Amino acid sequence: DAGITQSPRYKITETGRQVTLMCHQTWSHSYMFWYRQDLGHGLRLIYYSAAADITDKGEVPDGYVVSRSKTENFPLTLESATRSQTSVYFCASSGQGAYNEQFFGPGTRLTVL
Amino acid sequence: AQSVSQHNHHVILSEAASLELGCNYSYGGTVNLFWYVQYPGQHLQLLLKYFSGDPLVKGIKGFEAEFIKSKFSFNLRKPSVQWSDTAEYFCAPLTNDYKLSFGAGTTVTVRA
Repeated sequence: DAGITQSPRYKITETGRQVTLMCHQTWSHSYMFWYRQDLGHGLRLIYYSAAADITDKGEVPDGYVVSRSKTENFPLTLESATRSQTSVYFCASSGQGAYNEQFFGPGTRLTVL
Repeated sequence: AQSVSQHNHHVILSEAASLELGCNYSYGGTVNLFWYVQYPGQHLQLLLKYFSGDPLVKGIKGFEAEFIKSKFSFNLRKPSVQWSDTAEYFCAPLTNDYKLSFGAGTTVTVRA
């Protein structure tokens, strides 16, 4: 019972490089989310997806791209990484309906040099 | 837009002390409320949630929270903390478009 997994767990990259963070869930949840966690800001929503092929912007989408061709996967791509994107990234998923809790992955710690 | 305010950034307690963490949100519509906890080095886990009914909700590990609609508050409490409660705590209202708005978090350090 894997639940929700993220890869890689740690990543160091350089400014200007493209980076893709992977998220995979085994529950067939409809909703998936990407957050970044920074000191003093809590978690901020980057993008979310209500179903395969349906994505929408969150609070801080600039510099990020997402796709969702399959229900279980929700990759997040930094097209040209910047130092300000150094953060911990969490993926989450929740089932259909307004009252379902979100389940979080273990996070990816990304450092942009 | 939704906003969430957690009043305490860092709380330091001794074991067996009581804990109360404040949370206020600004959202006039129907709101569902969550508290999540993040233990050191771990991912976020649900502590408790409020949807409707009894405004006093109980969660895991002896935590409880009280929803006071008139004050837009959802404060978290625990009568007697343990060293293992050292963690970061996040208040998060869920709006009707399935999105959580997280507060900045409160770091709780429990000294043995």
